[in-house]
Amino acid sequence: KNQVEQSPQSLIILEGKNCTLQCNYTVSPFSNLRWYKQDTGRGPVSLTIMTFSENTKSNGRYTATLDADTKQSSLHITASQLSDSASYICVVSARYSGAGSYQLTFGKGTKLSVIP
Amino acid sequence: DAGVIQSPRHEVTEMGQEVTLRCKPISGHNSLFWYRQTMMRGLELLIYFNNNVPIDDSGMPEDRFSAKMPNASFSTLKIQPSEPRDSAVYFCAVRGPTRNTEAFFGQGTRLTVV
Repeated sequence: KNQVEQSPQSLIILEGKNCTLQCNYTVSPFSNLRWYKQDTGRGPVSLTIMTFSENTKSNGRYTATLDADTKQSSLHITASQLSDSASYICVVSARYSGAGSYQLTFGKGTKLSVIP
Repeated sequence: DAGVIQSPRHEVTEMGQEVTLRCKPISGHNSLFWYRQTMMRGLELLIYFNNNVPIDDSGMPEDRFSAKMPNASFSTLKIQPSEPRDSAVYFCAVRGPTRNTEAFFGQGTRLTVV
């Protein structure tokens, strides 16, 4: 069964500190892995998209890593800001045979709170 | 939000009533997705369209749910009859022509069925 597990479930950090969020998955056959940021009351916003061959990808202060062998990904946030407070969702896509057929498996998200 | 427009933003309706959620996607993005988000289950994919054609509706919970995409600039998700357990935030999202392109979400419709 395809699953995506995120940890921790919630996290509180001081402004300016770094943090790392984890995503472990059992999705197969793997197509890509996405990290989204979702502010309260808003739709998710894409941070990174990683395919099988990519080990790391950065988007400003956000850096995602992917280890396709161990099926693990992490999202590292550097020098956190109050505006980083949000839920971070890991989504893994599997590709099956058939025109356009693919399946998305969502993590439950990590709720990050950055406090002054 | 990148221009995906959903309406209404909030909907409160009585159990048994029909509910229609609307999505106006960004032009040039030929894949459209409907998601549901709740505290208990997180984000769930309901259905997705590719070039206006429904590709996979296996996430649609039951026959009370239906989705249409009559043209590239409009899609609807209909629930008839609605039930309290349908209360959730419903998102519409679009993506470019390949699987590894960025997806853009609308602001969502918060549905409350009482």
